[in-house]
Amino acid sequence: GAVVSQHPSWVICKSGTSVKIECRSLDFQATTMFWYRQFPKQSLMLMATSNEGSKATYEQGVEKDKFLINHASLTLSTLTVTSAHPEDSSFYICSARDSQAGLNQPQHFGDGTRLSIL
Amino acid sequence: SQKIEQNSEALNIQEGKTATLTCNYTNYSPAYLQWYRQDPGRGPVFLLLIRENEKEKRKERLKVTFDTTLKQSLFHITASQPADSATYLCALALRGGNTPLVFGKGTRLSVIA
Repeated sequence: GAVVSQHPSWVICKSGTSVKIECRSLDFQATTMFWYRQFPKQSLMLMATSNEGSKATYEQGVEKDKFLINHASLTLSTLTVTSAHPEDSSFYICSARDSQAGLNQPQHFGDGTRLSIL
Repeated sequence: SQKIEQNSEALNIQEGKTATLTCNYTNYSPAYLQWYRQDPGRGPVFLLLIRENEKEKRKERLKVTFDTTLKQSLFHITASQPADSATYLCALALRGGNTPLVFGKGTRLSVIA
């Protein structure tokens, strides 16, 4: 089945550090990937849509200069949290669909990245 | 306003019984609906997808129904086992091709042996 790999799974760093999270589709191509954030006991909230070869689309209230997204290939999207602060601490999850599988196909998720900013 | 509600935050059932989880939505017209399982500290795992023109889908001990008139989906786990204990998420896929999902808050299911 479709597998999405996310790395790292866990990051602890000091305030002001920039952190890069990778999301890879291992056995399919994804022209579009999605980045979500989840706070404890809350639903997944969409942050941005990552588009291969073009700019990402950000949801209202998400700062594009703070959460940099790069989707340079059909199998890799990266999210960089720049100058991270404690309020950025959260669980970040990416998802992707197989671009060649047609419409109405499921999205598959990575295993998430737990980000803790001290 | 648009809402998607899973109206039990937590559900406890006895092993062997059927668990029924509910997902209701308002002011959405989803093309299809998905159910996911999420374990603590892990990403959601896809379980079932049901399209707007489908009434019911089954996969092993799982069954999903979709009523677009009631704007409701029911998710059933028959012969439940302690290993089924997890949070189950309902997600809507809106029209327009490769669109992101809109998630409910989830129902935390505990199956008691």
